[in-house]
Amino acid sequence: EAGVVQSPRYKIIEKKQPVAFWCNPISGHNTLYWYRQNLGQGPELLIRYENEEAVDDSQLPKDRFSAERLKGVDSTLKIQPAELGDSAVYLCASGGLDNNEQFFGPGTRLTVL
Amino acid sequence: RKEVEQDPGPFNVPEGATVAFNCTYSNSASQSFFWYRQDCRKEPKLLMSVYSSGNEDGRFTAQLNRASQYISLLIRDSKLSDSATYLCVVIEWGRNQFYFGTGTSLTVIP
Repeated sequence: EAGVVQSPRYKIIEKKQPVAFWCNPISGHNTLYWYRQNLGQGPELLIRYENEEAVDDSQLPKDRFSAERLKGVDSTLKIQPAELGDSAVYLCASGGLDNNEQFFGPGTRLTVL
Repeated sequence: RKEVEQDPGPFNVPEGATVAFNCTYSNSASQSFFWYRQDCRKEPKLLMSVYSSGNEDGRFTAQLNRASQYISLLIRDSKLSDSATYLCVVIEWGRNQFYFGTGTSLTVIP
């Protein structure tokens, strides 16, 4: 069974440029999470989806970050414009109805120059 | 005060040693607790859930102390392959509160 797929794996951009990350969760998982992980820190939840509905986006910096999961399957996280402090690993995770385990993708490592 | 606090370590222990990590949380309404393992430059993976009654899986034992608001992870007979960062996760589903600790780094030395 395929795991959570994320792309790209690495992205280097200059500040003020836009960037987008894509995530395809495990088939059948209705819950999808986007996290940001800075070096030496634990993952920080940005947004959580139940199917296509964002049930919690309180930690998403809405001035520059946006996310969508239009058909309740794959999802895109966008930053526009990127700032130096956005350099981090962006992790996507998915979970089933029991919500007991989150399965993480390999992450996208973003470097903003 | 942080929602979840962990001793970052690093913990350097010899093979065969027993090592324990604690994780304290501030939200008394938290409902679900987990330990995740994260290898260097890899994604976190679930190690085990944590229940009030305690949970044991081979060499690993997890405990929850609601009164003192902490969870613990005990690793017995440490193996070289146990070297990783261990993250605690505390969740309050009703308010969508998901918190990862900063992680505790473990290195098992031959």
